[in-house]
Amino acid sequence: ETGVTQTPRHLVMGMTNKKSLKCEQHLGHNAMYWYKQSAKKPLELMFVYNFKEQTENNSVPSRFSPECPNSSHLFLHLHTLQPEDSALYLCASSQDGILALSSYNEQFFGPGTRLTVL
Amino acid sequence: AQTVTQSQPEMSVQEAETVTLSCTYDTSESDYYLFWYKQPPSRQMILVIRQEAYKQQNATENRFSVNFQKAAKSFSLKISDSQLGDAAMYFCAYIRTSYDKVIFGPGTSLSVIP
Repeated sequence: ETGVTQTPRHLVMGMTNKKSLKCEQHLGHNAMYWYKQSAKKPLELMFVYNFKEQTENNSVPSRFSPECPNSSHLFLHLHTLQPEDSALYLCASSQDGILALSSYNEQFFGPGTRLTVL
Repeated sequence: AQTVTQSQPEMSVQEAETVTLSCTYDTSESDYYLFWYKQPPSRQMILVIRQEAYKQQNATENRFSVNFQKAAKSFSLKISDSQLGDAAMYFCAYIRTSYDKVIFGPGTSLSVIP
C-alpha cells in the first residue's frame, strides 16, 4: 500500500449505530487530518493531529471522536449521528504540522469514506 | 480571518483548448503558500501545483501554470491543451507558513467537452 488509505470506502449506518472510519498513511508523515466534504460546501477541517497530539478541534460535535494511536493511523469514531452528517470524510497527512519558512506542507489525501446516515 | 474565494462554480472547456480558473484570497500574512488541488470523480484529492508567496516567479507543472498576483491576492490556474482527464473539481487552497491549517475555496467544477 502506498500513500494514504481509508476504509471503508462506503458506509451506511443508522442513527443509533456506532462505527469507525480508519485512515492509514504510508508516507512517514507526522501530521494527520480529518475533513468533511458535504455537497456544494467547501472542505471543512475537523481535526488535526501532529505527532499523535490533537492540535485542532474545529468545533466538531462530540458524536465524532477521533483517535490517533500513532503517527501512521487515524480513526474517527462515530456514534448517534444525524442524517446531516452524511458526507464524504477525507483523511489527509503531511510531513509536519509545523511549517518551516523554507518548505511547504503539502497534504496528501486518501480516497475518502462516503458516509450515509439513515 | 483568511478566506479563499473561487467565483466560478462551474466552467467548461473544449478539448485541446485553454481554460483559466480564478481564485482570490484574503490574508494579512506576508508568508504563505497557495495550492491548486484536483478532485476527479474518484474523489481522491491530488495536488496539481503549488506556489510560495515569497517567490515572484509563477509556478508551472507541465500543462498547468498559475498567475500569482500577490498584491491583488489573486492565484489563477491555467490549463493548456485541456484533456478529458482534466475534468474534475478544482480547489484553491491557502496555508500560512507558521501553521498547518489549510483553508480551501469552495471549488470549481471543470467539464471538458470532446
